[in-house]
Amino acid sequence: SQTIHQWPATLVQPVGSPLSLECTVEGTSNPNLYWYRQAAGRGLQLLFYSVGIGQISSEVPQNLSASRPQDRQFILSSKKLLLSDSGFYLCAWSVQGNHGYTFGSGTRLTVV
Amino acid sequence: GENVEQHPSTLSVQEGDSAVIKCTYSDSASNYFPWYKQELGKRPQLIIDIRSNVGEKKDQRIAVTLNKTAKHFSLHITETQPEDSAVYFCAASRNQFYFGTGTSLTVIP
Repeated sequence: SQTIHQWPATLVQPVGSPLSLECTVEGTSNPNLYWYRQAAGRGLQLLFYSVGIGQISSEVPQNLSASRPQDRQFILSSKKLLLSDSGFYLCAWSVQGNHGYTFGSGTRLTVV
Repeated sequence: GENVEQHPSTLSVQEGDSAVIKCTYSDSASNYFPWYKQELGKRPQLIIDIRSNVGEKKDQRIAVTLNKTAKHFSLHITETQPEDSAVYFCAASRNQFYFGTGTSLTVIP
């Protein structure tokens, strides 16, 4: 069966520090991968999506970047965190084509 | 890109009553409309979905309706229970998903 792993679960980082969040999917090949951010009490904002290795699309300009070095690995990064980067970050995957997402368990990031 | 609007942002109902959440979308090419339930501090979970070639779909106490002409779709929960309390998100998709802003549903025992 397919599973999605996301870590760490919680993270407290100082302003200006770098960030690396990792997401991996097991049990499937060539998934679509997504990074979403959910600010406190707010909706889900699509940050990046990827349909294949090295293929990254960005939805909104921001202080973050994403990479897909392997088929089932998706990384969210920042060189210098801002206070406004705080939030709940969710990785998700879906099969190619239009089907439901499966979300990872999320990373709660607090920038202090 | 797609713009999804969701109403209401908060909803309180008495246990046993029905709850209705409505969403509109802008991109007529969107063809897949899932609904997610997110309990506090947890990941969103898919509860029901509908494709553009279907007008209504039902799964026990949950139903979703779609009006393609008007570009709106709705979630209906009947006989609500306290465990239905959560934040519900609609989404519209052609390739990637665009989510509504969420509805916080509280079912009062």
